Amino acid sequence: EAQVTQNPRYLITVTGKKLTVTCSQNMNHEYMSWYRQDPGLGLRQIYYSMNVEVTDKGDVPEGYKVSRKEKRNFPLILESPSPNQTSLYFCASSLSPPYEQYFGPGTRLTVT
Amino acid sequence: QKEVEQDPGPLSVPEGAIVSLNCTYSNSAFQYFMWYRQYSRKGPELLMYTYSSGNKEDGRFTAQVDKSSKYISLFIRDSQPSDSATYLCAMSNSGGYQKVTFGTGTKLQVIP
Repeated sequence: EAQVTQNPRYLITVTGKKLTVTCSQNMNHEYMSWYRQDPGLGLRQIYYSMNVEVTDKGDVPEGYKVSRKEKRNFPLILESPSPNQTSLYFCASSLSPPYEQYFGPGTRLTVT
Repeated sequence: QKEVEQDPGPLSVPEGAIVSLNCTYSNSAFQYFMWYRQYSRKGPELLMYTYSSGNKEDGRFTAQVDKSSKYISLFIRDSQPSDSATYLCAMSNSGGYQKVTFGTGTKLQVIP
């Protein structure tokens, strides 16, 4: 089954404790992206990657890191999480250009 | 001013009604226009996309793009209770720079 998987689905952590949210796709897509979704602000792009070792900033990259060492994986790293990073995070993938993105199920992150 | 503006609703309509959802945008470089549907507690799923101007029809759904007015629309005919969801417009330019910008979403409720 073609899918995008994210782990964990739910995470509660404390300020400053480094965390990684994993994202994996099995569709051989070149393009992968991370979004956060907040009430009233909608989906905002954090980072995207057009292929292995090629990443670029979206609209809200501050406080996040990504890497794309393999085509199928695109982890999101929060080196020092803060409460304002409490949000619902989605990973997505698509062929390039990204007009048909497949989204993962989401990761709800709470930073206290 | 946001690059993409979308009325958040909520929009309530009776079953069978024609629904019109709209977005305006300010970036004239946008070439790809997409509509996603998001059910509660799920990731967005692509409904339709169009490239540049024009109309596109898929079953009960019609997408329209008017680049001269920087205005896009999604029409849903014979709306069903199962159409109750949040509808997100999204846009991207072409030419290698593949950032995607989403609207904040319009929440639609179709009442049986």
